[in-house]
Amino acid sequence: KAGVTQTPRYLIKTRGQQVTLSCSPISGHRSVSWYQQTPGQGLQFLFEYFSETQRNKGNFPGRFSGRQFSNSRSEMNVSTLELGDSALYLCASSPRVGYGYTFGSGTRLTVV
Amino acid sequence: AQSVTQPDIHITVSEGASLELRCNYSYGATPYLFWYVQSPGQGLQLLLKYFSGDTLVQGIKGFEAEFKRSQSSFNLRKPSVHWSDAAEYFCAVGAENGNQFYFGTGTSLTVIP
Repeated sequence: KAGVTQTPRYLIKTRGQQVTLSCSPISGHRSVSWYQQTPGQGLQFLFEYFSETQRNKGNFPGRFSGRQFSNSRSEMNVSTLELGDSALYLCASSPRVGYGYTFGSGTRLTVV
Repeated sequence: AQSVTQPDIHITVSEGASLELRCNYSYGATPYLFWYVQSPGQGLQLLLKYFSGDTLVQGIKGFEAEFKRSQSSFNLRKPSVHWSDAAEYFCAVGAENGNQFYFGTGTSLTVIP
């Protein structure tokens, strides 16, 4: 059974640009969450989607957005990139609420 | 507010020695508790989880954790550490409606031969 797949693995962008990250959950998993991991702030919750609906959102500015498609695949978008957005972005999927999430290997975003 | 505290930023143990990683949580309702492990450059792997029932839970790779409600703790243990256990360990608490986790800051484990 394939795990959570995140693409791309590495990304370098310039300040002011925008970026889209992709996540394919485990087959049958309908809940997808996104987390940002940085050395200074640790793991911080971005948002969670279930059946194409955003159910919960963390404390991030509106430049961070996401969506989920009917096949449960999810994307997150960051507009007007700042240096502080450099981080490992992790996607996780779960078959149902509270079950525990399976994480992907992440996308390492570097903003220069 | 929900929060997780991992008091030990870094721990060093000898291979074959026992291990205990501490986790304290703050949560107003019945918590769902998790331990994850992260190797360098990788995502997080679920070691074990506690939802209800027996307060001692067994996980993968020989790890176990004990939920103590009176102490708001969920400490991770392993009787004999292997060199391959060197990694970053994260404790997390989730709501019963479960779609958001709060993670601790992690404990980095070094294993010396």
